Amino acid sequence: DQQVKQNSPSLSVQEGRISILNCDYTNSMFDYFLWYKKYPAEGPTFLISISSIKDKNEDGRFTVFLNKSAKHLSLHIVPSQPGDSAVYFCAASARGTYKYIFGTGTRLKVLA
Amino acid sequence: DGGITQSPKYLFRKEGQNVTLSCEQNLNHDAMYWYRQDPGQGLRLIYYSQIVNDFQKGDIAEGYSVSREKKESFPLTVTSAQKNPTAFYLCATTGQASSKPYYEQYFGPGTRLTVT
Repeated sequence: DQQVKQNSPSLSVQEGRISILNCDYTNSMFDYFLWYKKYPAEGPTFLISISSIKDKNEDGRFTVFLNKSAKHLSLHIVPSQPGDSAVYFCAASARGTYKYIFGTGTRLKVLA
Repeated sequence: DGGITQSPKYLFRKEGQNVTLSCEQNLNHDAMYWYRQDPGQGLRLIYYSQIVNDFQKGDIAEGYSVSREKKESFPLTVTSAQKNPTAFYLCATTGQASSKPYYEQYFGPGTRLTVT
């Protein structure tokens, strides 16, 4: 039973346009969500997070939106750059559990 | 320079041999984790430890063992009982995000283990 799902395994976007990566979750106890970026043969690097008390968090070109009623979050990258090409993972956690559940990732390719 | 160190970057072993992967951190984080990543799959939790001398099984603990004798170190042993040991292994720690009540997870660079 996959509690965190990224249904799009890949996404291609033109440089300068918006990239939208989606993530769905099933566990209503999750109250903290994170996005990571990963290059091949490297560890994931933290991008941005959001707690369930907010519906939006912005950091530079990256914005995460949370829709609690739909159990859905999305990561927007504007404008997309070729260096953004990587695999993006969303992760979710419930307060006090110390466990993070990861989605299967979406491979983003930004075309120059 | 604070961070998480995993060594070696690449590791090769013969089938039937146990192998231990190293993970060291100087972030003073309490919690440490081991994940495994396979092609086309997400990160799957093997073991995690919230404090020294205590650890819990994750979703795929069979064939693996860990120890947590020091706060800084959380080595993972891949035993011969692990049926498909070839994978990319990631160590992580959890620390409180600055001025936030939540905890963010930080990852090491990973170890690619190949068993033939």
